[in-house]
Amino acid sequence: QQPVQSPQAVILREGEDAVINCSSSKALYSVHWYRQKHGEAPVFLMILLKGGEQKGHEKISASFNEKKQQSSLYLTASQLSYSGTYFCGTDSSNTGKLIFGQGTTLQVKP
Amino acid sequence: KAGVTQTPRYLIKTRGQQVTLSCSPISGHRSVSWYQQTPGQGLQFLFEYFSETQRNKGNFPGRFSGRQFSNSRSEMNVSTLELGDSALYLCASSLQGGAYEQYFGPGTRLTVT
Repeated sequence: QQPVQSPQAVILREGEDAVINCSSSKALYSVHWYRQKHGEAPVFLMILLKGGEQKGHEKISASFNEKKQQSSLYLTASQLSYSGTYFCGTDSSNTGKLIFGQGTTLQVKP
Repeated sequence: KAGVTQTPRYLIKTRGQQVTLSCSPISGHRSVSWYQQTPGQGLQFLFEYFSETQRNKGNFPGRFSGRQFSNSRSEMNVSTLELGDSALYLCASSLQGGAYEQYFGPGTRLTVT
């Protein structure tokens, strides 16, 4: 079951904040976040694991509510380089089989 | 460390043909996953190989297959190509899969005419 991301798209001015949400109908072992710029490969941002462990870039923050099977990615003081499509990938079995959401397109304007 | 490499980067094939795509993971990574990316369906999981064994499989027909070699390099094969197979095929390498981050290659853009 594909996780649902919201919003589908967001436009920000530099310096503004944004939150991207990812919701699954299945119990999750982990949530993975990636950013993809046009014409490029997805780039790893963060993993949030059941039990509270997180691995990822220091400048990225995210949360994982295991009970609600929801994760949120927090982008603060956005920069132009934050523009791209953000994907959450969910793993419900700790096997590395990621099911990705449909993506959230973020555009940061000067 | 060198990143994930995929060859070829672009490919044009005719319906009914078959194609083989190659992926070289980051040195030391034992898990390779393959994804299909299309505008309509997004990023879809094809399969994952770990230590030469297919460990996970997505919901794709049997025309899609793969393998992994002892050096962790992986290939995926699509037989009897259909127009709908036109997509960007991405491979991602990971230390062990599971709760480890995946590093994506640049992809192979396959066009089926």
